[in-house]
Amino acid sequence: NAGVMQNPRHLVRRRGQEARLRCSPMKGHSHVYWYRQLPEEGLKFMVYLQKENIIDESGMPKERFSAEFPKEGPSILRIQQVVRGDSAAYFCASSPYGSQSYEQYFGPGTRLTVT
Amino acid sequence: DAKTTQPPSMDCAEGRAANLPCNHSTISGNEYVYWYRQIHSQGPQYIIHGLKNNETNEMASLIITEDRKSSTLILPHATLRDTAVYYCIVRVADSNYQLIWGAGTKLIIKP
Repeated sequence: NAGVMQNPRHLVRRRGQEARLRCSPMKGHSHVYWYRQLPEEGLKFMVYLQKENIIDESGMPKERFSAEFPKEGPSILRIQQVVRGDSAAYFCASSPYGSQSYEQYFGPGTRLTVT
Repeated sequence: DAKTTQPPSMDCAEGRAANLPCNHSTISGNEYVYWYRQIHSQGPQYIIHGLKNNETNEMASLIITEDRKSSTLILPHATLRDTAVYYCIVRVADSNYQLIWGAGTKLIIKP
């Protein structure tokens, strides 16, 4: 049973470009969460999605960031017009039962570098 | 802001028990204590969680004080592969994602 998959693992973008981060949850999991981690810091929640629904986006910046989890295919975190401050590790996690699940399964992360 | 306090770093000898403390003095009655760890450059990994009682699984034991204001994660026989940052997190009972992650404790296992 494959774990949570994220790609790409490393992404380099110039300021002003768009970044697209993909997350495929574990098989049978329909709940996806995105987190951001700056160096030497803990994770910060960004958004919680179910298939075709955004459940909680309270941690998402109001501008330039968006997330989706379509009926088919991976979840996508999209960052438009990237700035240097967007450089971070972005982790995706999934769970089978939503917010009552006691455990989240994390992917290996995507390390975004904005030059 | 994080609702837990952990030492920034700890060392432990290989084969010995690693005891990682965590203070959560403002914990509410419906908040669980969770522990995750993050090995360098990897995604976090769930270890264990508890509410009031001590808990044990194949990875670790969790000891929660009677007043629930602090807890200790115990790795009974630490190996070099246990070197990681360990996060102590409190979460409300009905939400697994509104976690407040602090900076954690960097545990270094020495041979």
